[in-house]
Amino acid sequence: DVKVTQSSRYLVKRTGEKVFLECVQDMDHENMFWYRQDPGLGLRLIYFSYDVKMKEKGDIPEGYSVSREKKERFSLILESASTNQTSMYLCASRPTRTEAFFGQGTRLTVV
Amino acid sequence: TQLLEQSPQFLSIQEGENLTVYCNSSSVFSSLQWYRQEPGEGPVLLVTVVTGGEVKKLKRLTFQFGDARKDSSLHITAAQPGDTGLYLCAGLNNNDMRFGAGTRLTVKP
Repeated sequence: DVKVTQSSRYLVKRTGEKVFLECVQDMDHENMFWYRQDPGLGLRLIYFSYDVKMKEKGDIPEGYSVSREKKERFSLILESASTNQTSMYLCASRPTRTEAFFGQGTRLTVV
Repeated sequence: TQLLEQSPQFLSIQEGENLTVYCNSSSVFSSLQWYRQEPGEGPVLLVTVVTGGEVKKLKRLTFQFGDARKDSSLHITAAQPGDTGLYLCAGLNNNDMRFGAGTRLTVKP
């Protein structure tokens, strides 16, 4: 079975902290994605990557950066966490043009 | 503004009823996917539609892709409480994947 693992299920951070969300997939997929999910807004794309060291901005990249040094790992970085970044963060991976597999999500609260 | 608009946003029905939910966009997609998400979990794929006008059936679920590949519908026949969840559509182009806001379906026993 494909497995996408996010490092934390729940995270509480203080305003201004630098936050790292890690995602690892075990199926050698080319594409990896970070979304945030908020009530009534669905999944909004923050960044995606289609290869190692490659990244593309999604719809809401402001306040975030990403890193993909190895194919299996895609990290989301909040440079200086703010309360409006409190959300559910979902990582996904997929081969080109097929099914996406999601992690269980990280519920981040910024206080 | 969402690239993909889903309607209705919420739907609450009795067990045994039929329902249709919609996914609309002004953009053309190479394919479109439907996912279901349950609380505390990530979305799980239900179906992928690729060809304009395509209809796919998955037991009591019927999925249709519009002729122009801009919209899709999901019809559920004789809904059951186990169908309760958040239904999300996703439009795909090359490596990109964008989601709608979802329809939250509740099926009451």
